[in-house]
Amino acid sequence: GAVVSQHPSRVICKSGTSVKIECRSLDFQATTMFWYRQFPKQSLMLMATSNEGSKATYEQGVEKDKFLINHASLTLSTLTVTSAHPEDSSFYICSARGPQKDTQYFGPGTRLTVL
Amino acid sequence: EDQVTQSPEALRLQEGESSSLNCSYTVSGLRGLFWYRQDPGKGPEFLFTLYSAGEEKEKERLKATLTKKESFLHITAPKPEDSATYLCAVQRGETSGSRLTFGEGTQLTVNP
Repeated sequence: GAVVSQHPSRVICKSGTSVKIECRSLDFQATTMFWYRQFPKQSLMLMATSNEGSKATYEQGVEKDKFLINHASLTLSTLTVTSAHPEDSSFYICSARGPQKDTQYFGPGTRLTVL
Repeated sequence: EDQVTQSPEALRLQEGESSSLNCSYTVSGLRGLFWYRQDPGKGPEFLFTLYSAGEEKEKERLKATLTKKESFLHITAPKPEDSATYLCAVQRGETSGSRLTFGEGTQLTVNP
């Protein structure tokens, strides 16, 4: 139980284009999902908290117009990286607050490379 | 500001050589302390949640303990498949959501 999927697992795009990453909770409903990014050999940095049916809450320093988050259903949240640049290349990981208290269950991650 | 410090940064063990990983934390009103395992190129896998000092949780060769200032992840007779980065995270006791603050992780390598 408590399985989270992400799609795509890997994406390469050209500078200036937009990329959408999907995060789904497969066997439970998640009112709250989270988006993290992780640079090589570093820990996870929270980007934003996504609540179903409301606007996402962004962490300090994260541009909300660049990283668009939509949480339209209890099982799906999307992160769109708009006008991507090479410095946006990173490992993006989502998580969903599971059925047991406040435990977060993580997706497998999406490797974004911007050329 | 919540702070989580993990030590050591990296640990090499021989198969069967037991050891412990440390997670020191500073948080205003701990709601929970979480341990995750992360393999290269993958998302973190949930291991344990600890809620109060004195609590212990076990899973196979892993045992997590919690005090008021730190948590330990004990690995008994590790196997090569236990090689991974182990992440510790804390959650503050407030109603603003379930956000986690992560430590930098301990990269564990178990040699056969």
